Amino acid sequence: EAGVTQSPTHLIKTRGQQATLRCSPISGHTSVYWYQQALGLGLQFLLWYDEGEERNRGNFPPRFSGRQFPNYSSELNVNALELEDSALYLCASSLGTGFLRGYTFGSGTRLTVV
Amino acid sequence: TQLLEQSPQFLSIQEGENLTVYCNSSSVFSSLQWYRQEPGEGPVLLVTVVTGGEVKKLKRLTFQFGDARKDSSLHITAAQPGDTGLYLCAGLRDNYGQNFVFGPGTRLSVLP
Repeated sequence: EAGVTQSPTHLIKTRGQQATLRCSPISGHTSVYWYQQALGLGLQFLLWYDEGEERNRGNFPPRFSGRQFPNYSSELNVNALELEDSALYLCASSLGTGFLRGYTFGSGTRLTVV
Repeated sequence: TQLLEQSPQFLSIQEGENLTVYCNSSSVFSSLQWYRQEPGEGPVLLVTVVTGGEVKKLKRLTFQFGDARKDSSLHITAAQPGDTGLYLCAGLRDNYGQNFVFGPGTRLSVLP
């Protein structure tokens, strides 16, 4: 089966611009999670979508937003980009809540803000 | 402040050596998972532990969940260069919210 796919793999933006990142979960997975992996900071939870609804969000400002489409794919939007937004953005999906089976991660989108 | 601490931060060893890495917290977790991440890739799930005191073995890897469900360890026997990567632990504090908290990771390098 196809894994979690993310696009684009790399994205370069200038400060103040907007970035849109996309994620397609594994077929049958209804939950999508977004994490930011900045250098030296580990994975920081951004957003969780399930069945088209935002279920939880991490401690990030409102300029980080997203949505989940009826086919369970998801978008992460980052407005008014700042230099510190440069990071690897990882999308993961799970069958059910991930409590026992964990997440399946994509390979990420490397966002560079200059 | 990290909810999950991992140690050591970096570890470089020779092929064939044994090693243990640790994941510690002051919080209780209902579930704890270990992932390995290789450069340019997303983390890959290795194991899930849910019961205090639980020990799971995956070939040369042995995972243990602390009795109080606040800490965990990963032991690798006879490490191989293919074990090189970033080892992340992730804890689920409760079923509400459903997002795992990740530790900062231990970066392991196994030299041939």
